[in-house]
Amino acid sequence: SQKIEQNSEALNIQEGKTATLTCNYTNYSPAYLQWYRQDPGRGPVFLLLIRENEKEKRKERLKVTFDTTLKQSLFHITASQPADSATYLCALLSNFGNEKLTFGTGTRLTIIP
Amino acid sequence: GAGVSQSPSNKVTEKGKDVELRCDPISGHTALYWYRQSLGQGLEFLIYFQGNSAPDKSGLPSDRFSAERTGGSVSTLTIQRTQQEDSAVYLCASSHIAGGRETQYFGPGTRLLVL
Repeated sequence: SQKIEQNSEALNIQEGKTATLTCNYTNYSPAYLQWYRQDPGRGPVFLLLIRENEKEKRKERLKVTFDTTLKQSLFHITASQPADSATYLCALLSNFGNEKLTFGTGTRLTIIP
Repeated sequence: GAGVSQSPSNKVTEKGKDVELRCDPISGHTALYWYRQSLGQGLEFLIYFQGNSAPDKSGLPSDRFSAERTGGSVSTLTIQRTQQEDSAVYLCASSHIAGGRETQYFGPGTRLLVL
């Protein structure tokens, strides 16, 4: 069956360090992968989109990698700050069939001052 | 504001009652999605509207759930004969084009509690 796993429910990182979050998928052929940030009591906010033929995407302190051989995306926040504390969700659009994103369950990141 | 809005922000209802949740998407966005998020869970797809096409209802959990989108804009999600397991945050999102090929813009959600 298809599965998207974000393999840490919660992650604590010291301020200033790089936070790395993982998104693994099985039985998907993703055309696109997106990362969203969700703060408590709010809807998710889009951060980055990476296509299947792209290896890496950057935006300010954020970097996303996409390895279709390993079936994995890594999301990095460099020089992390307490304001980066939130839940981060990955979402896939499959190459086959419907035009729907499927979301992972998220990783709750806490940056410790 | 130009974002997606949802109302009400919170809804408490008694088991067996019907509820209506409203979503106002970003003007000009042709795609609209409804998701459900239970405590500690990821987003569960419910239904998707794209322009004038028939909606994709494949995620609706039972026939107690239905949704409409009037005039290609505002959408209403209706839950009939609510059950306690319907308690969740219901999120609406819109995008300029379909699926994951572009950013989905989310509303703040409606927190539904069924007593």
